[in-house]
Amino acid sequence: EDQVTQSPEALRLQEGESSSLNCSYTVSGLRGLFWYRQDPGKGPEFLFTLYSAGEEKEKERLKATLTKKESFLHITAPKPEDSATYLCAVQSDNYGQNFVFGPGTRLSVLP
Amino acid sequence: DGGITQSPKYLFRKEGQNVTLSCEQNLNHDAMYWYRQDPGQGLRLIYYSQIVNDFQKGDIAEGYSVSREKKESFPLTVTSAQKNPTAFYLCASSIAAEAFFGQGTRLTVV
Repeated sequence: EDQVTQSPEALRLQEGESSSLNCSYTVSGLRGLFWYRQDPGKGPEFLFTLYSAGEEKEKERLKATLTKKESFLHITAPKPEDSATYLCAVQSDNYGQNFVFGPGTRLSVLP
Repeated sequence: DGGITQSPKYLFRKEGQNVTLSCEQNLNHDAMYWYRQDPGQGLRLIYYSQIVNDFQKGDIAEGYSVSREKKESFPLTVTSAQKNPTAFYLCASSIAAEAFFGQGTRLTVV
């Protein structure tokens, strides 16, 4: 059975304090790993797709990386508007077009 | 603008009542999904559909039903058999890889 875990559960940073969020996965045949941002009371907003180990994607202050067992979402010099819950999801050979989501990391960036 | 529209944003259900949540997309996506989100938990799959007139149960389908009569529409009915329906419900669609989400419906039992 595919599993996705995320750590830490919650993270509090000062503005400008860089850090990383972790997504660990156990799947049979990874087809893709996805990062989303979710604001309270809203639907998740797509950020990145990663397909193979070694791949990296960047968008503004965010950079996502992928290894064979985990993905990291690096946040460089965060701002208060980066505060949100960050979700990780995978697609695998087990579930075809379906997604298995992790529980998320709640990020708070204090001014 | 292309996107996924969920309605209503808030919904209140009385005990023993069935309610239907609407999900419409104009992205021309084949696959559509319904997820349930509870506080502190990840998204859990209720039902999914990869093509019109076909759908499959997800991990927590009991007490829910769906239909897919049109490519654009995938309504979810929360039946009285669902014992703990209070949650945030998210609809998504996908064409190959990443899924795109609506803004959600918050259902509360009163």
